[in-house]
Amino acid sequence: QKEVEQNSGPLSVPEGAIASLNCTYSDRVSQSFFWYRQYSGKSPELIMSIYSNGDKEDGRFTAQLNKASQYVSLLIRDSQPSDSATYLCAVNQLDSSYKLIFGSGTRLLVRP
Amino acid sequence: DADVTQTPRNRITKTGKRIMLECSQTKGHDRMYWYRQDPGLGLRLIYYSFDVKDINKGEISDGYSVSRQAQAKFSLSLESAIPNQTALYFCATSDPSSTGELFFGEGSRLTVL
Repeated sequence: QKEVEQNSGPLSVPEGAIASLNCTYSDRVSQSFFWYRQYSGKSPELIMSIYSNGDKEDGRFTAQLNKASQYVSLLIRDSQPSDSATYLCAVNQLDSSYKLIFGSGTRLLVRP
Repeated sequence: DADVTQTPRNRITKTGKRIMLECSQTKGHDRMYWYRQDPGLGLRLIYYSFDVKDINKGEISDGYSVSRQAQAKFSLSLESAIPNQTALYFCATSDPSSTGELFFGEGSRLTVL
C-alpha cells in the first residue's frame, strides 16, 4: 500500500463548479499535510497547508483534514480554467519533520 | 532570476555515462533536496542535506550520489546512468522553521538511452 494515495484522474469539472480532490494516507502519526499545485511542465508550488482536524480556508481553496479517517481533501470553489493542473498531496511524518511523502497527484481539468 | 536554479534543464545521454545535475539557490536556506518525478509515481526523495556537512539518503538513493559544495550548491550525480533513471529531477530548498514548504527549481529532464 502506498503511503499517500490519490486518484490520478483526470477530474473534469465545468467552470464555476466546486472541484473536490481527495487524498488518503497510511501513517497514523502523520502530523502535517500539504497541497501542492503543479502546472504541466512546471515545478510544484505550495498552495495549502493544514495541521489540525477540520477546515482551513484561503480564498477559493479549502483544505479539510480528518485524522481519524486518515484523509485530507482540497476543495476549489468557483473553479477556473487556470486551476487546471495536477494537485499533489504531501504528508509530513512525525519522525521525519524534514521529509515530505508525496502522492502521485490528481490531474484537474476545468472546462470553460 | 529563479531563486532555485537547476542546470542543465534538459539532457540526453547514453547508458553508462556519468551525469551531474547541479542546483544553486539564492534563498539562503540550509536544507536542500533532490527529488525525481516519474509519471504515476509522484515525487520521490533521492537525497537531502541540512547543511554542508550533512548528507542523508532518501527513499531511492541507489545509483545516485550527491555533493554539497556550499550552502547554496547541491549537486546530484549518476555515476553510470541507466535507462530507468530517465525522469524529471527537481532540486528543492526549505527553511528549518518550515515544516513543509519546499521551494522547487524548474526541473532537469534527463533521458538515458
